[in-house]
Amino acid sequence: DIQMTQSPSSLSASVGDRVTITCRASQGISDYLAWFQQKPGKAPKLLIYAASSLQSDVPSKFSGSGSGTDFTLTINGLQPEDFATYYCHQYTNYPWTFGQGTKVEI
Amino acid sequence: QVTLKESGPVLVKPTETLTLTCTVSGFSLSNARVGVSWIRQPPGKALEWLAHIFSNDAKSYSTSLKSRLTISKDTSKSQVILTMTNVDPVDTATYYCARLYDFWGAYVEDYWGQGILVTVSS
Repeated sequence: DIQMTQSPSSLSASVGDRVTITCRASQGISDYLAWFQQKPGKAPKLLIYAASSLQSDVPSKFSGSGSGTDFTLTINGLQPEDFATYYCHQYTNYPWTFGQGTKVEI
Repeated sequence: QVTLKESGPVLVKPTETLTLTCTVSGFSLSNARVGVSWIRQPPGKALEWLAHIFSNDAKSYSTSLKSRLTISKDTSKSQVILTMTNVDPVDTATYYCARLYDFWGAYVEDYWGQGILVTVSS
C-alpha cells in the first residue's frame, strides 16, 4: 500500500497568515493527488484534484503543487472559515489511501 | 443537484453483518463518467478508503478488508450497497459514500454524503 505522510500533524496560525501543508507519498503517484477540507461533524470537501487543479467553487486562495512523491497545499490569507483538518488522498494505486490529516488551528 | 445519503443501522453487535445503502440523486449510476466510493472515519481519526464501484460494475476493495466487504449497485433504485461481515468494535466509525467523477481521465471523490455513524457494541 502507498503511505501518505502529511506534515505537520497540526499547526497554529492566525487570520491572514499563509499556511503550507506537505504530503509525501511512499512511492510515485504522478499527479493523482487530491486535497480535502473537513470541518468538525461534516463530510470532507474536495478542494484540489490532479495535484494542482482547483475544484469549481473553491476560492483561489487555495492552491496545490507537486508531482511524483512530494506535494503541497497552500492557503493564502487564512480566514476563520479555513480552520479545519486537511487530508491528502492518492487515487491511482490500489488501495487508494489518505494522509493522516493536518489540523489547522488558531 | 448532486446528493448522496447513507442509510443503515446505527448500532450493530459484534460478529454481525453490516449493510449500508447509499442513495444518490442528481446523477445516474449508469453514467460512464461516475462511480461511488465508500470511505470511513473512526471517531477522531483519519479517513480510510474502503471500496468503490463503477457504472460497468468494476469494483475495487481495501486490501486489509477485502475478505469482509462486498459492494454492489442497483441502478434502477439509484443505490449502492456495502456489506461488511463479522463486524468488530474497531469498525465503529462514520461511514461516507461519495461520488467518483472522471476528471481528465482519473476518478476522484467530488461529492460526499453526510455520513452515518455506526457503532459496533454488544
